[in-house]
Amino acid sequence: DAGVTQSPTHLIKTRGQQVTLRCSPKSGHDTVSWYQQALGQGPQFIFQYYEEEERQRGNFPDRFSGHQFPNYSSELNVNALLLGDSALYLCASSLEAGLTSTDTQYFGPGTRLTVL
Amino acid sequence: AQSVAQPEDQVNVAEGNPLTVKCTYSVSGNPYLFWYVQYPNRGLQFLLKYITGDNLVKGSYGFEAEFNKSQTSFHLKKPSALVSDSALYFCAVRPHGGYSNYQLIWGAGTKLIIKP
Repeated sequence: DAGVTQSPTHLIKTRGQQVTLRCSPKSGHDTVSWYQQALGQGPQFIFQYYEEEERQRGNFPDRFSGHQFPNYSSELNVNALLLGDSALYLCASSLEAGLTSTDTQYFGPGTRLTVL
Repeated sequence: AQSVAQPEDQVNVAEGNPLTVKCTYSVSGNPYLFWYVQYPNRGLQFLLKYITGDNLVKGSYGFEAEFNKSQTSFHLKKPSALVSDSALYFCAVRPHGGYSNYQLIWGAGTKLIIKP
């Protein structure tokens, strides 16, 4: 049973460029959440996708956007990259039945983005 | 504002001794509580969660956690530490009830060092 997978593992970009990160959820999961983890800090929630729609968003600018596909995989896009966007980007999947769902979020290994 | 505090940046324990990693939270309602572990250059691995019921929950690798509602705490414990337990530990909280909230709110992490 494959867990959550993310690609690429590492990425180096320059300021102003755009980047796309990809995530495949754990088998049987239908919900994908994205988090940003800066060095030495805890993860920060970016947004969550369910039924191909963004259903909650954290405190991140519109430069951060996403998409969920019919097979539940997801992409995170970041436009106009800033130096401060350098971080580990984590994808988590879960089976969410709604607000009362107690399901656990399972994480992928992350994508390390470096912006120069 | 909702927040999670891990008051110790680092905890040092001798192998074979009991360990405790502390977590307190400030979240309204009855949140769901989680512990995750992160090894170097790896994603987050789920250890255990508290949803409801018995205040002592058991998880992976011999870890357990004690929920205390009056103190709004959820401390991670293990009776006998192993060198292989050395890693970064994160406490996370999912607000629950009354409003849309699917995100996890994270502490800053505690580095656990087990010395032989």
